[in-house]
Amino acid sequence: DTGVSQDPRHKITKRGQNVTFRCDPISEHNRLYWYRQTLGQGPEFLTYFQNEAQLEKSRLLSDRFSAERPKGSFSTLEIQRTEQGDSAMYLCASSSEQGVINYGYTFGSGTRLTVV
Amino acid sequence: GIQVEQSPPDLILQEGANSTLRCNFSDSVNNLQWFHQNPWGQLINLFYIPSGTKQNGRLSATTVATERYSLLYISSSQTTDSGVYFCAALNQGGKLIFGQGTELSVKP
Repeated sequence: DTGVSQDPRHKITKRGQNVTFRCDPISEHNRLYWYRQTLGQGPEFLTYFQNEAQLEKSRLLSDRFSAERPKGSFSTLEIQRTEQGDSAMYLCASSSEQGVINYGYTFGSGTRLTVV
Repeated sequence: GIQVEQSPPDLILQEGANSTLRCNFSDSVNNLQWFHQNPWGQLINLFYIPSGTKQNGRLSATTVATERYSLLYISSSQTTDSGVYFCAALNQGGKLIFGQGTELSVKP
């Protein structure tokens, strides 16, 4: 286990379709975070999990977005009825609860979504 | 919540030049991270630095927590240093808040 893995790397979808992204964190990390980054901006927080519990959701996460981490390992982020404004890079990160202050987050390579 | 501001927004350097990137944050933080985002979008950890100074090769960072700013120094810049540099503050709830980034372009 060498880092945080995200799949797919790129996704092109038609407006109105549903998409699902997957994130596999570093195995010993119990915290998992989703961020969204639009062109020219810094990443913005969407939601995070500690083990399987979703502890916080941003106002950016509309009703069309849902995230799960059913067994406290990998996570999925689903977007229903995609809109052009959903086009962005979706980044996943993980950390340990104890290590987040000293070691921070480790990010995956991201999933770039384009809605046409 | 915490506000994070970075300056300058853009920077163009000739290869071999030195540069300083600045990050201001509006409240006390648990930690501060500097990242380099490569052209493929990957965020690479550079430093975790809540206070003091750290060095790693041609890069160093200093955070003055009492004055709520951090600096990233790049010496003898190379073309491979090009990309976007982000600082991010870890708030009391363990959430990373990012600045808008500094886009660095190093010309050969």
